[in-house]
Amino acid sequence: DTGVSQNPRHKITKRGQNVTFRCDPISEHNRLYWYRQTLGQGPEFLTYFQNEAQLEKSRLLSDRFSAERPKGSFSTLEIQRTEQGDSAMYLCASSARTGVNTEAFFGQGTRLTVV
Amino acid sequence: AQSVTQLGSHVSVSEGALVLLRCNYSSSVPPYLFWYVQYPNQGLQLLLKYTSAATLVKGINGFEAEFKKSETSFHLTKPSAHMSDAAEYFCAVEGEAGGFKTIFGAGTRLFVKA
Repeated sequence: DTGVSQNPRHKITKRGQNVTFRCDPISEHNRLYWYRQTLGQGPEFLTYFQNEAQLEKSRLLSDRFSAERPKGSFSTLEIQRTEQGDSAMYLCASSARTGVNTEAFFGQGTRLTVV
Repeated sequence: AQSVTQLGSHVSVSEGALVLLRCNYSSSVPPYLFWYVQYPNQGLQLLLKYTSAATLVKGINGFEAEFKKSETSFHLTKPSAHMSDAAEYFCAVEGEAGGFKTIFGAGTRLFVKA
């Protein structure tokens, strides 16, 4: 296992189309996070899973966004009816909370461009 | 609510000079604090973390940070900058007690001049 894997790395889509991103976390990690990062900003929290349960969603996650982690392993983030404002880097991270080790390991991200 | 503020969106130093990137945090509970580095078109890599053990935390690539509760600060330093240190640096705090999301600052871009 070489770390958190995200696919695709880049996605260009036309406004109004649906897109889906995939994240494969580190295999023994039970926690998975999605973040969005726009140019010149730090990552903003979108949602968090512990195993297959989605425990928290940000207000940033509108009804057009949905995330799943069906078997507690990989996760998908779908954006329906994309808008130009959705253009950003979407980062996935995973962690395994044992004691005080709360480090999140990040994937390389999926860069979405909506034209 | 917890938050972090990074002072200075851009910092420029000469190669071999001291690097100082400033971060102040706000937290109602003892925080876990982190510094991450991001190279262009890459994800984030953890430099170091504070988890209420030693207040001076040493990380990778010669970086260190000191937790100062009285100043609510967690500044990142490196004695001698290298060209390869040029990147974006993010200070972060773990979320509310019982929550697990990490809250990031806006980032500081470090430029290293030859």
